[in-house]
Amino acid sequence: SAVISQKPSRDICQRGTSLTIQCQVDSQVTMMFWYRQQPGQSLTLIATANQGSEATYESGFVIDKFPISRPNLTFSTLTVSNMSPEDSSIYLCSVPWGAPTEAFFGQGTRLTVV
Amino acid sequence: LAKTTQPISMDSYEGQEVNITCSHNNIATNDYITWYQQFPSQGPRFIIQGYKTKVTNEVASLFIPADRKSSTLSLPRVSLSDTAVYYCLVGPLGGYQKVTFGTGTKLQVIP
Repeated sequence: SAVISQKPSRDICQRGTSLTIQCQVDSQVTMMFWYRQQPGQSLTLIATANQGSEATYESGFVIDKFPISRPNLTFSTLTVSNMSPEDSSIYLCSVPWGAPTEAFFGQGTRLTVV
Repeated sequence: LAKTTQPISMDSYEGQEVNITCSHNNIATNDYITWYQQFPSQGPRFIIQGYKTKVTNEVASLFIPADRKSSTLSLPRVSLSDTAVYYCLVGPLGGYQKVTFGTGTKLQVIP
């Protein structure tokens, strides 16, 4: 199994500012995924972060709004830029593991934008 | 990835067996069926995965009929701690693929 640590666990931010979320994994992994979960909703994939290359973004998500870094095989960051109240969500990182579509998830970062 | 359809919510009393059915009519030949569990304020947790027939582990059983167009997650004798959202999803073989979540089923266990 993999242990994933996310920081911060929660934050309250002013609109117009940016927040960087960190994801640390206790094992080396090739791919890491970032998800958003809006209140009462399911998870939506934001992007795939590969070490050594630019992140691949899903439809509706752009690099200027959600820049991602992947400096090594155990760490990634997601920045939520120029925040608005609509960005209030839980953000989760995830790593693949074992069987197809099996993945471990971090505890999430609960972001509130005021 | 094949789209899945699940009931939005279910209620069950403690001690009962709970069956949550997922429809995936467009499942492909190389797709596996996977279920996740998510407690409030936590990330999803992998529960069980299968390709056909029946799979059982310490947490749940997964029943998949021959046509694989649906699957049923069975939770034996649920307790209050099983209150969570349960997600069904399908995905292909051949290395890791991105995990796409559907709406999920919110299970409320009642004392």
